[in-house]
Amino acid sequence: DAGVIQSPRHEVTEMGQEVTLRCKPISGHDYLFWYRQTMMRGLELLIYFNNNVPIDDSGMPEDRFSAKMPNASFSTLKIQPSEPRDSAVYFCASSGLAGADNEQFFGPGTRLTVL
Amino acid sequence: KQEVTQIPAALSVPEGENLVLNCSFTDSAIYNLQWFRQDPGKGLTSLLLIQSSQREQTSGRLNASLDKSSGRSTLYIAASQPGDSATYLCALPSNSGYALNFGKGTSLLVTP
Repeated sequence: DAGVIQSPRHEVTEMGQEVTLRCKPISGHDYLFWYRQTMMRGLELLIYFNNNVPIDDSGMPEDRFSAKMPNASFSTLKIQPSEPRDSAVYFCASSGLAGADNEQFFGPGTRLTVL
Repeated sequence: KQEVTQIPAALSVPEGENLVLNCSFTDSAIYNLQWFRQDPGKGLTSLLLIQSSQREQTSGRLNASLDKSSGRSTLYIAASQPGDSATYLCALPSNSGYALNFGKGTSLLVTP
């Protein structure tokens, strides 16, 4: 298996522009997570899905952020409009089992820079 | 919310030493605990997952222990090598779901 795939790997954009990050989870995994990593706050959950349904979006910073999972093999995280404080590394992770076996596997991340 | 603390924040050791990284957490009602490795500019690699019913897990030179009652986990690295240099992160889901709460990590440098 190729693991969790994220694109793009790097994104540089200007303030006010729309940014779309993409994720393909490991085939067969029912859970998909979006995390954000910054120097100040470390790794934080943004949102996670189970069977394509959003379960917990309490970490989504504000209405500028939205996430979708139209099918089991694809998810997007969109920021519109983007701001410099959104600059961070965004990780997607997936897992295939519930309960104590819920081991999460991470993608390589998307490094976002908003100028 | 589950609070996760890792001590020390940074550690430098000579090659060959055995070392211990510490992780503490506030809510003992957990499904499991996961240790990750992160190389600079890279993603997270899962090292070990300990289920809540287990006391330890081993993988090669790595051994992770879990003591739920005291809210602690340790990652033991035997015979450290320069290739072990990375940031090690401890993470646990909260009781309300599977999303992970991460510690800030321990940055390890193993010098030749």
